[in-house]
Order: sequence, then structure tokens, then C-alpha cells
Amino acid sequence: EVQLLESGGGLLQPGGSLRLSCAASGFTFKSFAMSWVRQAPGKGLEWVSGIIGTGGSTNYADSVKGRFTISRDNSKNTLYLQISSLRADDTAVYYCARGRGTSWYKGWDCWGQGTLVTVSS
Amino acid sequence: QSALTQPASVSGSPGQSITISCTGTSSDIGGYKYVSWYQQHPGMAPKLIIYDVDSRPSGVSDRFSGSKSDNTASLTISGLQAEDEADYYCSSYTSSNTLVFGGGTKLTVL
Repeated sequence: EVQLLESGGGLLQPGGSLRLSCAASGFTFKSFAMSWVRQAPGKGLEWVSGIIGTGGSTNYADSVKGRFTISRDNSKNTLYLQISSLRADDTAVYYCARGRGTSWYKGWDCWGQGTLVTVSS
Repeated sequence: QSALTQPASVSGSPGQSITISCTGTSSDIGGYKYVSWYQQHPGMAPKLIIYDVDSRPSGVSDRFSGSKSDNTASLTISGLQAEDEADYYCSSYTSSNTLVFGGGTKLTVL
């Protein structure tokens, strides 16, 4: 069974940093592009970042460029999102999602349950 | 990159058909065949129901169909069922090599 399990969320202060993880199982992780998508409380979906299977190419939404870093460790079947200079508007549920094959932008067919990041002083 | 435009809400009775529109520009929907639709029930993760404008993943009901004309994509749900009540989001690849979502549409089954 294909599964994605996010972790690393919590209550953090503005200006801080954290790393989210997404553990994948049930499929050949290195063969699939991955993305992070977030959803602020009561709001819509926002694409954050995408990465191809090898990790050699990454893309970011303008709203997070320079503060967020996506990466992956294919030996550990794990996707990461490093977030720095946290702001209140980063408060959201962060989902990791599997791309359909090698492309991160052609739809995501499997999603994790999400991890909540709350930024507040 | 501005969000794609969706109606905030739509409604229909069981058995009816409804269509949700998703309007963008020539830099996103109009320029690529990479439009996807997601269904999200409260408290749950999104679920892919349409990709590449009009393709359905395995296991998704054929009551769901997608189309595109110029800068507007559409999701049609036929034979509306109570379980279809959810939020629906469109997304599209953009010329900036990013991905943009619509604001979401709440479907109410009357």
C-alpha cells in the first residue's frame, strides 16, 4: 500500500526554523517526483515546492522562494522541507504529495495526512 | 502568479449534473494540458479526480469528467450523490514553471 507520513510540525515562534519530513512506503520512491502543498486554516490549497525523483531539480512558489528548501534522501525514502524565517502566514497544514511519475506538476495521486505548523508568539 | 478563479459555491440535487469552472490565463490553463482537479472532504487530504485536463485516475468514478476551452477548465459531476459534497480545487502548471491552484469551490448536495 502506498503511504506518505508527514512529521515535524508544531508550535513555533516567528523567525524560527523547522524541518518537515515525509516518509514514503509502498512504492519505488526514487522513481517519483514529489511536492509539498499547504493549506492555511479554513483556506484553500497552495502549492509550495516540487522536486524530481533524483533530487536534481527543484521548484518553488514565489511566496516561499529563498526561505524554503525542498530535498529528498532516496536511500531513506524520505522527503524534506526546510523552512526558515518563519512568519505567521506560514501557519498551515503541510501535505506531501506524490507526483504521477517523473513530473511534479502533472497531478498528485497520493497524499499524506498532513502535519500542522503553527507560527505564533 | 494569481490564483485561478473558481466559483465559491455550487449546489445541486441528487441525480443532477453540475459543472465547476476554473478560469486562468494563457500563461497557465490556456497554455498547457496540465490541469488537475482535486476533491477534499472536511478534515481529509485532497484526492486527485482528474489530471491532464480530462483523464481519470484508476478507481475514480466515471461520473467525474473534465474539459478545457481556451483559458477555462471545467469539472462536471453527473448523477450527483450525497458523497460528492466536498470542496473541489483546480490546478494548473504555469509558464513560470510553478503550479497554481484555484480558490476552491464548495459543492452542496441539496
